[in-house]
Amino acid sequence: SYDLTQPLSVSVALGQTARINCGGNSIGSKSVHWYQQRPGQAPVVVIYRDSNRPSGIPERFSGSNSGSRATLTISRAQVGDEADYYCQVWDSSTAVFGGGTKLTVL
Amino acid sequence: QVQLQESGPGLVKPSQTLSVTCSVSGSSISSGAYYWTWIRQHPGKGLEWIGYIYNGGTTSYNPSLRSRLSMSLDTSRNRFSLRLSSVTAADAAVYYCARGRAGSFHFDSWGQGTLVTVSS
Repeated sequence: SYDLTQPLSVSVALGQTARINCGGNSIGSKSVHWYQQRPGQAPVVVIYRDSNRPSGIPERFSGSNSGSRATLTISRAQVGDEADYYCQVWDSSTAVFGGGTKLTVL
Repeated sequence: QVQLQESGPGLVKPSQTLSVTCSVSGSSISSGAYYWTWIRQHPGKGLEWIGYIYNGGTTSYNPSLRSRLSMSLDTSRNRFSLRLSSVTAADAAVYYCARGRAGSFHFDSWGQGTLVTVSS
């Protein structure tokens, strides 16, 4: 089975840039999607196909994917960005999620 | 605007069958453009993909659940359902339905989730 590795937690100072990594074997050859899940809420896609933002998602959210690592970047971090973030890919017709990263804005 | 709403039993006894339904508005489940998906989240844990159904009944299931799992479409009511048999405490979770977009294959809309507890 395919595994995605994320850090358990990332902290960022208010207004600074947060980067959340997602590691996987040759993940650069796959499309990576990112979901934000605020406490008590359902997940919401913030980046799809590596670097595309759905309508309504701020430009502060961006994504990249190369080699063995995909990255979600959140610029000018706000308190409202505090949430769990999950990366997701498809492998052998199966959706795989990373374990999730808790983002704390200090 | 698409909306998905899960409905489930809340409480299921061990060894029984869990059934959860997702009612969809604003999008037709008969459309070949979407994959109608189930995802669950154990308390305090991450997301686990259960499977999807699309395009008249084609399914794909998580291998770890396949032997106990079935999904179906009800096009007359524009809803889809999940059945998981022989449940144990390990199946207690929040169950989400989601719409997967064909082509990009990301989950672009989610229901609010329904909590299922397994207990006698």
